[in-house]
Amino acid sequence: AQKVTQAQTEISVVEKEDVTLDCVYETRDTTYYLFWYKQPPSGELVFLIRRNSFDEQNEISGRYSWNFQKSTSSFNFTITASQVVDSAVYFCALSEGSGNQFYFGTGTSLTVIP
Amino acid sequence: DGGITQSPKYLFRKEGQNVTLSCEQNLNHDAMYWYRQDPGQGLRLIYYSQIVNDFQKGDIAEGYSVSREKKESFPLTVTSAQKNPTAFYLCASSPSYNEQFFGPGTRLTVL
Repeated sequence: AQKVTQAQTEISVVEKEDVTLDCVYETRDTTYYLFWYKQPPSGELVFLIRRNSFDEQNEISGRYSWNFQKSTSSFNFTITASQVVDSAVYFCALSEGSGNQFYFGTGTSLTVIP
Repeated sequence: DGGITQSPKYLFRKEGQNVTLSCEQNLNHDAMYWYRQDPGQGLRLIYYSQIVNDFQKGDIAEGYSVSREKKESFPLTVTSAQKNPTAFYLCASSPSYNEQFFGPGTRLTVL
């Protein structure tokens, strides 16, 4: 079974629209970490955020915000007022406290149309 | 500058040949990882190493081999036993399970 599910394969929005990328995870550990990475066309993965399982506060960083809800095992990512430079593939990932492996979702390809 | 370097950026290989992808980090991280990325499939773990001279198989280790003789280096060899090696390969390092830092990747094409 997939530990991290990103059900949205591709999303297209018009510039300045808001967009939310969904991430659902599965783990039995009580201590775990959740991540979002951005992969622009160049290919390198860029770290965006880390959240540990004991911190359910939502976070905002500029136009980016993250909604962590343990009750639904979700860690969704919202981009407000999207820009063309936001076009990329976005990956959600899980790291369990019991091991050193990261589990990645299959990614969501976001296209922002000018 | 601190970071992770992968070379070469593009690599072409004839069928039946072994090829080695380089990954070097100067972040003093203990753990290093190799992932393979195919279109629409996300990242799949090939091998990882938590300490020098030790490494473990990931989900898709068949047809690949690694070594970890130095903390800074974790080369990946794609052998002729790998049936479909054309893919994008990403190397990462980590000080712990808190975060992984990625290199720029190597795109391997088998001709």
